[in-house]
Amino acid sequence: NAGVMQNPRHLVRRRGQEARLRCSPMKGHSHVYWYRQLPEEGLKFMVYLQKENIIDESGMPKERFSAEFPKEGPSILRIQQVVRGDSAAYFCASSPPSMVGSGTEAFFGQGTRLTVV
Amino acid sequence: DQQVKQNSPSLSVQEGRISILNCDYTNSMFDYFLWYKKYPAEGPTFLISISSIKDKNEDGRFTVFLNKSAKHLSLHIVPSQPGDSAVYFCAASARSDYKLSFGAGTTVTVRA
Repeated sequence: NAGVMQNPRHLVRRRGQEARLRCSPMKGHSHVYWYRQLPEEGLKFMVYLQKENIIDESGMPKERFSAEFPKEGPSILRIQQVVRGDSAAYFCASSPPSMVGSGTEAFFGQGTRLTVV
Repeated sequence: DQQVKQNSPSLSVQEGRISILNCDYTNSMFDYFLWYKKYPAEGPTFLISISSIKDKNEDGRFTVFLNKSAKHLSLHIVPSQPGDSAVYFCAASARSDYKLSFGAGTTVTVRA
């Protein structure tokens, strides 16, 4: 999983500020997934993107959260006006051009730990 | 709704003995199952997977068993080693889907 790069590793934001989390997928991977892990829970799917397209954002809160994966550059998960409940570990995963579930495992980054104070 | 459940939050085992981790699922559409291992402050690392057409898959010290009728799978680690101390997540997906549904994890501690 060292190939999926996430930054920053730790992010502290005050309530009401914006948080930007970045993810560079493994080389050759064009599918990016964002997951969130709340304390004492498993990872929960948030959004699935391909280059310049949001394929499925059904797991993402309707307000304040957005994601993009531009043609050039990393995927960005953006949280506006953060609240304490946004404090969590956010993991990005990438996979090659075949779906997870067809025998291809997603590779995870080390995560960004967001703390809202 | 929790579609993948790991009912044991923790497991302690002596070095050299077998570790057995259990996982139950409720969604009958799931047909691909994975185990991930996670160390503190790191991302999950893929460990082993199994397709629903099989009931067993083995990779070195790790074996996953699938019981479709019971909607249950288990991971066996034998022999357990200190480096196996980590959180283990069970995950599942449907072949037609790309989302992984994760259990809450089981923390394994291997005692010397």
